[in-house]
Amino acid sequence: DIQMTQSPSSLSASVGDRVTITCRASQSISSYLNWYQQKPGKAPKLLIYAASSLQSGVPSRFSGSGSGTDFTLTISSLQPEDFATYYCQQSYSTPCTFGPGTKVDIK
Amino acid sequence: QLQLQESGPGLVKPSETLSLTCTVSGGSISSSSYYWGWIRQPPGKGLEWIGSIYYSGSTYYNPSLKSRVTISVDTSKNQFSLKLSSVTAADTAVYYCARFGGIAVAGINYDAFDIWGQGTMVTVSS
Repeated sequence: DIQMTQSPSSLSASVGDRVTITCRASQSISSYLNWYQQKPGKAPKLLIYAASSLQSGVPSRFSGSGSGTDFTLTISSLQPEDFATYYCQQSYSTPCTFGPGTKVDIK
Repeated sequence: QLQLQESGPGLVKPSETLSLTCTVSGGSISSSSYYWGWIRQPPGKGLEWIGSIYYSGSTYYNPSLKSRVTISVDTSKNQFSLKLSSVTAADTAVYYCARFGGIAVAGINYDAFDIWGQGTMVTVSS
């Protein structure tokens, strides 16, 4: 199985901050990398697919980059509704696997 | 728009079989572009893919659960179902169903869980 890691595991930030979350795969996954946002008690929501494509309806302050083994999710200006946990997920091979998550909370 | 809704018992006894159904509304489960999957999340923990099914009945399972998992589809009811046998407390989790979509980018198909159900909590306890 392809192992996914994320850093940091948690971070504290203020509204308006630029936030970057890193995801690393244990082997090359090309651009088969997705990012999800999950708020407490809610299902995950797809933000980014194919490493850098913005899902319809997702604000443009979210962006993704990377290929191979190293990927980043960037929130250009953190908004109050962005405080949540973020997961990366590889769809390169079965079983698809998720990262452990990065919790973004209020500083 | 397309919606998914999980249903089933919220409490299952150890060693018994967990059974859940996902009902798809606002669209057809028989779309050729998508698989339909189950994902679970133990309390306070991360996400684990359980398995996925195509409308034709083709299935893919997580090897870590394969010996205990069966996913089936009923296209006449626009539903797909999960059975997990011999459950223990470690199977206590929120169970989500989701559409696993092929999204084309520059002619290449990328799969992602793009539509999710709200999730249902299943507790394994006597």
